[in-house]
Amino acid sequence: NAGVTQTPKFRILKIGQSMTLQCTQDMNHNYMYWYRQDPGMGLKLIYYSVGAGITDKGEVPNGYNVSRSTTEDFPLRLELAAPSQTSVYFCASSFPRDQETQYFGPGTRLLVL
Amino acid sequence: DAKTTQPPSMDCAEGRAANLPCNHSTISGNEYVYWYRQIHSQGPQYIIHGLKNNETNEMASLIITEDRKSSTLILPHATLRDTAVYYCIVRVLGSGGSNYKLTFGKGTLLTVNP
Repeated sequence: NAGVTQTPKFRILKIGQSMTLQCTQDMNHNYMYWYRQDPGMGLKLIYYSVGAGITDKGEVPNGYNVSRSTTEDFPLRLELAAPSQTSVYFCASSFPRDQETQYFGPGTRLLVL
Repeated sequence: DAKTTQPPSMDCAEGRAANLPCNHSTISGNEYVYWYRQIHSQGPQYIIHGLKNNETNEMASLIITEDRKSSTLILPHATLRDTAVYYCIVRVLGSGGSNYKLTFGKGTLLTVNP
């Protein structure tokens, strides 16, 4: 049971480039989340999903897109990278009846130059 | 969600018990107390949660006062790997809706010293 896995661990992007952050969980969790964490700051929710085919915006969705074609995978897409998107990105998952117990991945560090 | 107050930092000697306090004096009857931690450069990690009874799992114990206005997370035998920021969160179970995100305050930086 690997839990929540994220790839890549670290990436440097040039302004305007695009990339997809991958997230996979093997716990059969319906709910999945994407957060970003800026240095010394708390978590901000980007997008979340309550099941395959269902996604919704969190508090900071601008500049990102998501899809949820399977229960296991929840990729996050950055279309036109900007320096403001330099951050650490965490994916998390949970069961529907216990959204407060979220299991986090190890994170992806993204640097946009 | 009820507001929580935690000390900004604490020290603990390796092998000793670490007792991390959290004040949540405005907690309502259906709100649970959750604890998470974040080790440097890693994702947050769920530790334990409870409503009013004391709880114990393989990681820690949670002691909630009878009036539920405060709680203490206990790491019985702290190790160097327990050095992390510990967050106390108060939430209604399954509150979801537009409130799916976990809101971590500033937490307590626990430093375990050799």
